[in-house]
Amino acid sequence: AQSVTQLGSHVSVSEGALVLLRCNYSSSVPPYLFWYVQYPNQGLQLLLKYTSAATLVKGINGFEAEFKKSETSFHLTKPSAHMSDAAEYFCAVSDRGTSYDKVIFGPGTSLSVIP
Amino acid sequence: SAVISQKPSRDICQRGTSLTIQCQVDSQVTMMFWYRQQPGQSLTLIATANQGSEATYESGFVIDKFPISRPNLTFSTLTVSNMSPEDSSIYLCSASGTSSNNEQFFGPGTRLTVL
Repeated sequence: AQSVTQLGSHVSVSEGALVLLRCNYSSSVPPYLFWYVQYPNQGLQLLLKYTSAATLVKGINGFEAEFKKSETSFHLTKPSAHMSDAAEYFCAVSDRGTSYDKVIFGPGTSLSVIP
Repeated sequence: SAVISQKPSRDICQRGTSLTIQCQVDSQVTMMFWYRQQPGQSLTLIATANQGSEATYESGFVIDKFPISRPNLTFSTLTVSNMSPEDSSIYLCSASGTSSNNEQFFGPGTRLTVL
């Protein structure tokens, strides 16, 4: 069965510092992987997705993530944090077995940015 | 991509009553999903809704408590029946089917408080 873990329920960084949010997945085959962001009182917005075209995936707002099969990881990074990055971030996994399969979400990491 | 709207955006309800949440997509989609997000928690899938067939419920969720309709390819409703304070959550609608990698697009959510 698929599962997603996110190390650190809360991460705090200084403005301008590197953002690193960790995600590890469990799946029998390389899955589809996603990072979503949820701003306060809003729905989820897709940041980026891994579908096998390239292991380093670039997303919106300067975020990127690298798929590492050997580590079953898909960590999210951003070189320089901005105050507007403060939000909840969810890593998600979906099986490639069938089309339109369900997506399993990780527990989320709350990112705080300190001025 | 798909743009998804939900109504109502929030509601405060009395114990024992029912609330129907509407989800409208701006394009035809194959699959629609309903999630629950309890305070400070991640998303939990309630059910998957296909047009023209009964919804598929996840473990722990039953049709009598969360009846779902999917009358066409752009619309779905979720009813939260016989509500109790434990049903206080954000309910999110999502849709997929506009791409082949299981990417989901989310509505803004409905914030439900049960007194």
